[in-house]
Amino acid sequence: QVQLVQSGTEVKKPGASVSVSCQASGYAFKTYGLSWIRQAPGQGLEWMGWINPGNGNTKYSQKFQDRVSITVDASASTVYMELNNLGSEDTAVYYCARGQSGRVGDLSFGVWGKGTTVTVSS
Amino acid sequence: EIVLTQSPATLSLSPGERATLSCRASQSVGSFLAWYQQKPGQAPRLLIYDASNRATGIPARFSGSGSGTDFTLTINSLEPEDCAVYYCQQRITWPPITFGQGTRLEIK
Repeated sequence: QVQLVQSGTEVKKPGASVSVSCQASGYAFKTYGLSWIRQAPGQGLEWMGWINPGNGNTKYSQKFQDRVSITVDASASTVYMELNNLGSEDTAVYYCARGQSGRVGDLSFGVWGKGTTVTVSS
Repeated sequence: EIVLTQSPATLSLSPGERATLSCRASQSVGSFLAWYQQKPGQAPRLLIYDASNRATGIPARFSGSGSGTDFTLTINSLEPEDCAVYYCQQRITWPPITFGQGTRLEIK
């Protein structure tokens, strides 16, 4: 079945970086764009960025443009999100999510990973 | 950036009743609007895409309507399992993709 499996919980100190992975299975990996979306405790959903796994093209929210990098290892069907210079406000659950149709630019998120909790604390 | 405003913030209804949730966009999003349901401790689940299309496996009692700037998610014959937070999301103009702040649906 279609799955997005994310890496495990992370605890980081302020100023550090975190990398979260999202391994896809059960579908044609390069056909669907993947986004990263985060959710701070008790808050709503915040889109961070997107990658086309077929060619590595990315688009980012301006809010995170200077601190985030989304990359792909197509041979492993895995997408990575790295966030630098962490602050306490980056404490959140980070989700990867895939479009619901077979168009790489589809941004209705029909498949989600279970989320990765990132805690930033000194 | 397109701002999505959801109302009401909280809705409290009884089983069997109808829920009507609203999402208003700061500028037209055409029909490029989706609705999600999120239960505590879970990832969001896509309910409706392109304003009125039910996602795979979503019961027919969930329906979406609207275009331009005003959208509605209707849930008929509420069940206890519908207790969740519901988010709308636009994809016409990006980056960034934006979400509404959510409506919390409580079942009495």
